[in-house]
Amino acid sequence: QVQLQESGPGQVKPSQTLSLTCTVSTGSISGTTYYWSWIRQPTGKGLEWIGRIYTSGRPNYNPSLTSRVSISLDTSQKQFSLTLTSVTAADTAIYYCAAADYYGLTDYWGQGIRVIVS
Amino acid sequence: SYVLNQPPSVSVPPGKTARITCGGSNIGSKSVHWYQKKPGQAPEVVIYSDSDRPSGIPERFSGSNSGNTATLTISWVEAGDEADYYCQVWESSGDLVVFGGGTKLTVL
Repeated sequence: QVQLQESGPGQVKPSQTLSLTCTVSTGSISGTTYYWSWIRQPTGKGLEWIGRIYTSGRPNYNPSLTSRVSISLDTSQKQFSLTLTSVTAADTAIYYCAAADYYGLTDYWGQGIRVIVS
Repeated sequence: SYVLNQPPSVSVPPGKTARITCGGSNIGSKSVHWYQKKPGQAPEVVIYSDSDRPSGIPERFSGSNSGNTATLTISWVEAGDEADYYCQVWESSGDLVVFGGGTKLTVL
């Protein structure tokens, strides 16, 4: 069983950088086969995959966000993080951190954190 | 990039069968997962790998995938099934995860 918890500011000003952290409750973040992922749901819209990172590989990002997004992993703290630069109102969303398998099957989700760009 | 197309909404009376489609180019060659999303809650897997059901998900939920269309079928629909449903695949050429646009299931 994996538990995830997002943390970070609930509001970010336009043009600034959004930074979120996900803390993982599991035996070892690096000793699993999970892909540590970020997914968001903009207000009134559907789920959007942001990207993911594996303990031994480079991160992968949604092509629509790749110029602004970065995902990193801190195995010692059992955390992974999301950074999104140059935010606009379109980035207002609920952001979920999640644990998925290689094929994207996402079994574990955080509760989500609402971020407003204003 | 790979696109998954879902109808925006599906409405069925209680006790009837709901079918939610997910269209994509040769989607039958991919493994499709389905999520149920209720307001204020995180998504939950209801079908994975085209047609497998996680423990705790009622047998009323089933899935199929062939050609250019994957389908989530909910038999004997109940009021509690009212939610948004999303299909999802892994797109191998770009090593990307793709979600469909979502379908709002309304139980009349």
